Amino acid sequence: NAGVTQTPKFRILKIGQSMTLQCTQDMNHNYMYWYRQDPGMGLKLIYYSVGAGITDKGEVPNGYNVSRSTTEDFPLRLELAAPSQTSVYFCASRWDRAYNEKLFFGSGTQLSVL
Amino acid sequence: AQRVTQPEKLLSVFKGAPVELKCNYSYSGSPELFWYVQYSRQRLQLLLRHISRESIKGFTADLNKGETSFHLKKPFAQEEDSAMYYCALSGRNTDKLIFGTGTRLQVFP
Repeated sequence: NAGVTQTPKFRILKIGQSMTLQCTQDMNHNYMYWYRQDPGMGLKLIYYSVGAGITDKGEVPNGYNVSRSTTEDFPLRLELAAPSQTSVYFCASRWDRAYNEKLFFGSGTQLSVL
Repeated sequence: AQRVTQPEKLLSVFKGAPVELKCNYSYSGSPELFWYVQYSRQRLQLLLRHISRESIKGFTADLNKGETSFHLKKPFAQEEDSAMYYCALSGRNTDKLIFGTGTRLQVFP
């Protein structure tokens, strides 16, 4: 059981380039989340999804896009990379938002925009 | 508004000392509070959830709705407790799970 898998683990982008961070889970979870982790800022919610075809903005959605065509996959797209998007990105999932259902996290993608 | 505040970025203690990591929240509905932990080179993982009223690795946390707090406590810190700790908030009326800024706990021998 792989859980939540993120690829790539590391990536360096030039300003203005685009890329997609991949996230897939094999637990048949309905809810999926993207967070970014910056030193001193904690984890900020970028986008989330409550099921295939349904996505919604989190706290810091600007500069990002998501899609959820299947239950398993929740890719995060950066269209025009900026230095402010240098961060560690985490994908997470849970079955639903039933009371106290815990999140399962991926191992993260470390992104540098230079 | 849904908000989590962790006032301390860094907390340093010696082994055997008591530990309290503070967490305050803001939420208009019925809150669901969690503590997540990130050990060095490991994934973020759930430590505690308030509904369970459990003790994990000697840690406990009590939800105080009057003070809107969910502080994490341990009577005797161990070196292996050194990690980044995040308080997180969700609720019955939201699908979002919001995290605080985190507190790094350093336990010295």
